[in-house]
Parts: sequence; structure tokens; C-alpha cells
Amino acid sequence: GAVVSQHPSRVICKSGTSVKIECRSLDFQATTMFWYRQFPKQSLMLMATSNEGSKATYEQGVEKDKFLINHASLTLSTLTVTSAHPEDSSFYICSASDTGYTFGSGTRLTVV
Amino acid sequence: DAKTTQPPSMDCAEGRAANLPCNHSTISGNEYVYWYRQIHSQGPQYIIHGLKNNETNEMASLIITEDRKSSTLILPHATLRDTAVYYCIVQAAGNKLTFGGGTRVLVKP
Repeated sequence: GAVVSQHPSRVICKSGTSVKIECRSLDFQATTMFWYRQFPKQSLMLMATSNEGSKATYEQGVEKDKFLINHASLTLSTLTVTSAHPEDSSFYICSASDTGYTFGSGTRLTVV
Repeated sequence: DAKTTQPPSMDCAEGRAANLPCNHSTISGNEYVYWYRQIHSQGPQYIIHGLKNNETNEMASLIITEDRKSSTLILPHATLRDTAVYYCIVQAAGNKLTFGGGTRVLVKP
């Protein structure tokens, strides 16, 4: 079946630095990918829809200048958390749309 | 905007069937019912989806009422590894998936 690979699985960074998370569709091409954020004991919250070759569409309340999304190819989307702060610590999950929706394994970001 | 309503939690016995209800009274004609589950600290895993007819696969069965306003996910023989949060989502094909609160299922020995 469809596989989505997400890296890194876990990252710790210092406050003020930037972190890049990669999401790859391994055996299919994904013109659309989705980025979610999940805080402890809460549900997944959609942050943005990543479209290959065009700008991402952000959900209301999500800062596009802080969460930079690049979808330069049909198999790769990246999320960069810029100038990270402790409140950005969360579980970030990507998803790619093929015949259905396949999710990555998530990235645990801790900002210290 | 919550499109689905699920009980926040439920327990079930190992080896027994687990029946997970979901209400989606405002579902539109082109919207599918999707079920995903999320085991702790992992990405959601697809279980099953359907439009009108009941569906079955190797993981579960999906029973959709005739008026499509509710559905039930059935795990035929629950195991300890089925402990997870189960999400019922209604969405038109190709659109983004919006997650609600889900049902936290605890399978007990």
C-alpha cells in the first residue's frame, strides 16, 4: 500500500532556531499533502494544505511566515518551523492524498 | 465545525467485538465516512471507509444506516493492540480530512 515517510521522527532545538521536517510519498505521487499539529491529549489540527508547484493554503490562525511549506516535487513536501519557541513544541504529522489519505509517522518537536 | 459526534471513551474486553458508534446527521450526499485510528505517538492509520453500503476488510466492518446519519465501526475480535483513539470523519473525496475528538478505546484483558 501507499507509504508516507516523515523525518525526523524526533527533534530537539533551541529557542530561536529553525527546524525543517520532511514528508515523502515513497511509492506514489502526491500533488497534495497536508500538515497537522497535535498537542498532548488533543486531536489533530490541520495547519495547511501543501500543493505541488504552488503556494500552500493555510488554515485560519496559522501563521504562514512562521510555518513555511514547500512542495517542490510530487513526492516531497517540507515544513519549516522558523524562529521556534517552546510553545511550538508539538507533534507534527503529514499526510498525502493518493486514492485515500496516508499519514506519516509524525515528528515530535521539542523547543528548549 | 464538528461534523461527527463520537463517545469520548469506551472499554471493551479482549476477544470480544468492539462496536464504535458515530453520528453524522449533517452528512452530504457526496461525503464519505472514513475511520482512522491513532495509536499513541504514531500517525493515524486508515481503517475503512464507505459511502452508502456496508463495507468489510481485514481490519473491520463499517455499518452505515440507510439514512446515512450514523455509522458503526466493528472490530470483530478486539486485541490489546487495538487500544487507540478511533476517529470517524466525513469528507468528500479529495478534500482535506478534519479530525474531531475521536473515541479513546481501551481493550482490557
